[in-house]
Amino acid sequence: ETGVTQSPTHLIKTRGQQVTLRCSSQSGHNTVSWYQQALGQGPQFIFQYYREEENGRGNFPPRFSGLQFPNYSSELNVNALELDDSALYLCASSLVGTGGEQYFGPGTRLTVT
Amino acid sequence: QQQVKQSPQSLIVQKGGISIINCAYENTAFDYFPWYQQFPGKGPALLIAIRPDVSEKKEGRFTISFNKSAKQFSLHIMDSQPGDSATYFCAANHRGSTLGRLYFGRGTQLTVWP
Repeated sequence: ETGVTQSPTHLIKTRGQQVTLRCSSQSGHNTVSWYQQALGQGPQFIFQYYREEENGRGNFPPRFSGLQFPNYSSELNVNALELDDSALYLCASSLVGTGGEQYFGPGTRLTVT
Repeated sequence: QQQVKQSPQSLIVQKGGISIINCAYENTAFDYFPWYQQFPGKGPALLIAIRPDVSEKKEGRFTISFNKSAKQFSLHIMDSQPGDSATYFCAANHRGSTLGRLYFGRGTQLTVWP
């Protein structure tokens, strides 16, 4: 069984730029959720994808967008980067019907300068 | 508004001791309560979880106690080991229109001294 993988591991961007983060879900899982974890905080829900459609969004602006592909992998895109976007971005996969069990990847550390 | 409140923020325990972390919630629609363990530079790892139809769940040295009427749940780590030193997050979820959205506490940094 393959776990959740994310790429890249680390990324440094300049304010105003755009970034794309990638996630491959655990085999057999059909739902992907993205979370932002600021330093010293718990993860905050960004959005979730199921059947290639966004299925719920947290308190994040539209410049945070995503995609889910037929193989259940996913992308998180962030436009017009701001300094406060510096965080660990986590992807979690789950299987619909398991009532919330989510398995996280190692994350992508994004630094915006 | 923090949907799940976690305490303490940090905890220092001697090797062999019991570590206890507490969480409280308000939303009675929550029906799944996992605990995650996170090491520096890593993603959170699912440790143990409970549903409100039971008051306790034990897996090895880790036990969740759940008090539905008080809307509280806690993690107990028995015989704490230096390798348990990590940040622990409680979380909650409900089967609503948003499938599987987890609400996390702020975390507890556990240090186990040898």
